[in-house]
Amino acid sequence: SQQGEEDPQALSIQEGENATMNCSYKTSINNLQWYRQNSGRGLVHLILIRSNEREKHSGRLRVTLDTSKKSSSLLITASRAADTASYFCATDFNTGGFKTIFGAGTRLFVKA
Amino acid sequence: DTAVSQTPKYLVTQMGNDKSIKCEQNLGHDTMYWYKQDSKKFLKIMFSYNNKELIINETVPNRFSPKSPDKAHLNLHINSLELGDSAVYFCASSQMQSMNTEAFFGQGTRLTVV
Repeated sequence: SQQGEEDPQALSIQEGENATMNCSYKTSINNLQWYRQNSGRGLVHLILIRSNEREKHSGRLRVTLDTSKKSSSLLITASRAADTASYFCATDFNTGGFKTIFGAGTRLFVKA
Repeated sequence: DTAVSQTPKYLVTQMGNDKSIKCEQNLGHDTMYWYKQDSKKFLKIMFSYNNKELIINETVPNRFSPKSPDKAHLNLHINSLELGDSAVYFCASSQMQSMNTEAFFGQGTRLTVV
C-alpha cells in the first residue's frame, strides 16, 4: 500500500486564488518532501520539511507538517497558470535502507 | 547540462522482447533509483543503489535487473517484456542514501509494450 496519499486527487482553481493540497502518511518519517511534475516530465523538488519542523516557506509555497496526525499540507498562494501540474508528497523513512515513497499526486489546474 | 539523463525517452517494443533503459547522473551523487509510474500516476520505487550496491529491491519481478557499472550510472534491463510493464520509468539520484536530501529526476522513459 502507498505510504503517502495526497488529497484532493484533482483541483481546479482560477489564477490568483490559493491552492491547498494535503498529504497523509502511515509510518514515522525523517522528512517529508513535495515535488511537482509537469505533464510528460520528471519530478522537480519543491520543498523539504524535517520531522522536527512544523512549517516552512519558499516563495509562494507554504508547507506545514503535523507529525501527530501524520499529515502535511502544501499551500500555493496567488496561483498562476504556470503552476498547473501534478504535485506529489514523498516521505523518507528508514526500513534498513532509506527510501522515498511517493503518493499518487494531486493534479492542479489553474485557469487563466 | 542535464543532471540526470535517461535514454531512450520513448520505447515501443513487442511482448517477449528484452530491452534496456540507461541512466546517467553528473551530480556526483552516490545513490540512484528507479521508479515506475503507472497509468494512474502512482510512483513506485523499484530499486535503489548506493555506491554501486543494491540496497532496495521492492518486490520487482526478476525479469527486471538493474546494473550499476559505476556510481554515475544505473541501467535497467528488462527481460521477456509483458503488456503490464507499459509505464513511465524514472531514474533519480540523491546526494546520499540518507535523510534530508532531495532527489533529482530524469525526464522519464515511456515504455509501451504491444
